[in-house]
Amino acid sequence: DAGITQSPRHKVTETGTPVTLRCHQTENHRYMYWYRQDPGHGLRLIHYSYGVKDTDKGEVSDGYSVSRSKTEDFLLTLESATSSQTSVYFCAIRVERGSYNEQFFGPGTRLTVL
Amino acid sequence: QQQVKQSPQSLIVQKGGISIINCAYENTAFDYFPWYQQFPGKGPALLIAIRPDVSEKKEGRFTISFNKSAKQFSLHIMDSQPGDSATYFCAASISNTGKLIFGQGTTLQVKP
Repeated sequence: DAGITQSPRHKVTETGTPVTLRCHQTENHRYMYWYRQDPGHGLRLIHYSYGVKDTDKGEVSDGYSVSRSKTEDFLLTLESATSSQTSVYFCAIRVERGSYNEQFFGPGTRLTVL
Repeated sequence: QQQVKQSPQSLIVQKGGISIINCAYENTAFDYFPWYQQFPGKGPALLIAIRPDVSEKKEGRFTISFNKSAKQFSLHIMDSQPGDSATYFCAASISNTGKLIFGQGTTLQVKP
């Protein structure tokens, strides 16, 4: 499972409430990613990090912010949750193996915004 | 140009048959093409991946066929088993960024 945990695993919240999702890795990998999964869209990249305090936007970053204050933790924050952010959120890490940079995913967080 | 288009959306195959899922891309800068398998309630799991310098890669019952000129690649599952029933995603990335662009997914059902 590549040593990735996500918390919480499930969350129900109200519109307008701030929400923070946590991704924790145990293997000290440099790159970490946040994706959201919605029916008919596959997975879409929200933000990613290439080191402590180094982050960049993905294809669906509006309404989300991230922080990485230490190598093992990558936080995703919804400053003011909206119903359109109801989704399953996956964290991933990147592992360099020879000529391949493989991504491994965590178990996901199911977020419902009412 | 960043899209990856996947088909079919769903697929039903008899046990022992061959499952084929296709993907097409536009961005010629993509240089890494993985396939992921996802079971309900779980995260996607890397199944097999290929680079465009080879036309085929096989791991067990799973084979990726890659056609660089057509900008298409496909996953073949030989001797499909009920345990292969899952959702499959193709993806593509430019390897130095690691940002994966996913297809829409294919739900495979293998009937016993």
